[in-house]
Amino acid sequence: SAVISQKPSRDICQRGTSLTIQCQVDSQVTMMFWYRQQPGQSLTLIATANQGSEATYESGFVIDKFPISRPNLTFSTLTVSNMSPEDSSIYLCSVGGTGGGGYTFGSGTRLTVV
Amino acid sequence: KQEVTQIPAALSVPEGENLVLNCSFTDSAIYNLQWFRQDPGKGLTSLLLIQSSQREQTSGRLNASLDKSSGRSTLYIAASQPGDSATYLCAVEGYSTLTFGKGTMLLVSP
Repeated sequence: SAVISQKPSRDICQRGTSLTIQCQVDSQVTMMFWYRQQPGQSLTLIATANQGSEATYESGFVIDKFPISRPNLTFSTLTVSNMSPEDSSIYLCSVGGTGGGGYTFGSGTRLTVV
Repeated sequence: KQEVTQIPAALSVPEGENLVLNCSFTDSAIYNLQWFRQDPGKGLTSLLLIQSSQREQTSGRLNASLDKSSGRSTLYIAASQPGDSATYLCAVEGYSTLTFGKGTMLLVSP
């Protein structure tokens, strides 16, 4: 299965600023997924990122707040913009869902907004 | 809309006990069911993947079963160890969706 390198692992940010999270995969993948996990909650899908096209956002998530880049088949970034304390969460990237091989997740970015 | 429920929400056991974590889902039209482990503040580590045509999968002290028709899966952990302490998440893959339960937080005390 694919190996994902995600960074940063954690950050503490001031409100009103932005943070960009990076995920690098060790193999080419068609789709990459970005999730948010709020404190004490399960994972919620933010968007699906395909190379060469606009990301597809889930209900409740918008591009202005969570812009995503997917410049090639092994890399993607998620930016959390104009942050507020409510954005404090763990953000995770994931690949998989094809060929019955299940999903692989990055190590997560623990974001605290103060 | 698929809904995934995990019971119990939390579990505390002494070292050495065998234990069962439960996962139920509402829509049986699934491709796969996957069990993950999450340590505090960290990402997800895949433990076992059961494809829809399979009944169970085993890895070391872990055994996961799937009864698709009844919408249930169980994760059996044998001879629990303090290092097993973590949150265990069940995820069901449907058509272009992956739906998670809220997890079972497991604490194994020495």
